[in-house]
Amino acid sequence: DAGVTQSPTHLIKTRGQQVTLRCSPKSGHDTVSWYQQALGQGPQFIFQYYEEEERQRGNFPDRFSGHQFPNYSSELNVNALLLGDSALYLCASSLPFDATEAFFGQGTRLTVV
Amino acid sequence: LAKTTQPISMDSYEGQEVNITCSHNNIATNDYITWYQQFPSQGPRFIIQGYKTKVTNEVASLFIPADRKSSTLSLPRVSLSDTAVYYCLVGDDEGMDSSYKLIFGSGTRLLVRP
Repeated sequence: DAGVTQSPTHLIKTRGQQVTLRCSPKSGHDTVSWYQQALGQGPQFIFQYYEEEERQRGNFPDRFSGHQFPNYSSELNVNALLLGDSALYLCASSLPFDATEAFFGQGTRLTVV
Repeated sequence: LAKTTQPISMDSYEGQEVNITCSHNNIATNDYITWYQQFPSQGPRFIIQGYKTKVTNEVASLFIPADRKSSTLSLPRVSLSDTAVYYCLVGDDEGMDSSYKLIFGSGTRLLVRP
């Protein structure tokens, strides 16, 4: 079992550009959540997908959007990048009603210059 | 906002027992208490979860008093590799369809010295 896999591992983008991050959940998991972690802080919830729909959303602007595919994999898209979007982006997968035991990927380190 | 309060940092030495206490005064009746561990540049890893009294697994023990307003994560005989950030979470935030998300605070940075 490969666990949760994220790609790419590192990414450098310029202000104003758009970025897409990808996540494959742990086998058997159909719920995917995305988190943003700034340096020195705890992860902040962005949104959660289940059955290809956004189920919950945190306090993030509409520039952050996502998608879940029929195979449960997910994408996080961020438009009009700001310097403040530089962070570690984490994907977590879980069973739909047992999200307290979530499995996290290694994350994607996004740097906006 | 995180519903928990933890010490910002703790120091220990190899071989010692480490106890990290978390305060969650407003815990709801149906909330579980969950602890995660995070190493630098990695995603958090589930350690242990409990509702009341004591829970033990191969990694740690979790002590929860009767009023459930606090909990203590106990790491026996720590090693250098236990140096990490430890997060205490409760619940949480149930959505309209019984979904919920994890709310992380700033965690406790544990440094284990030789």
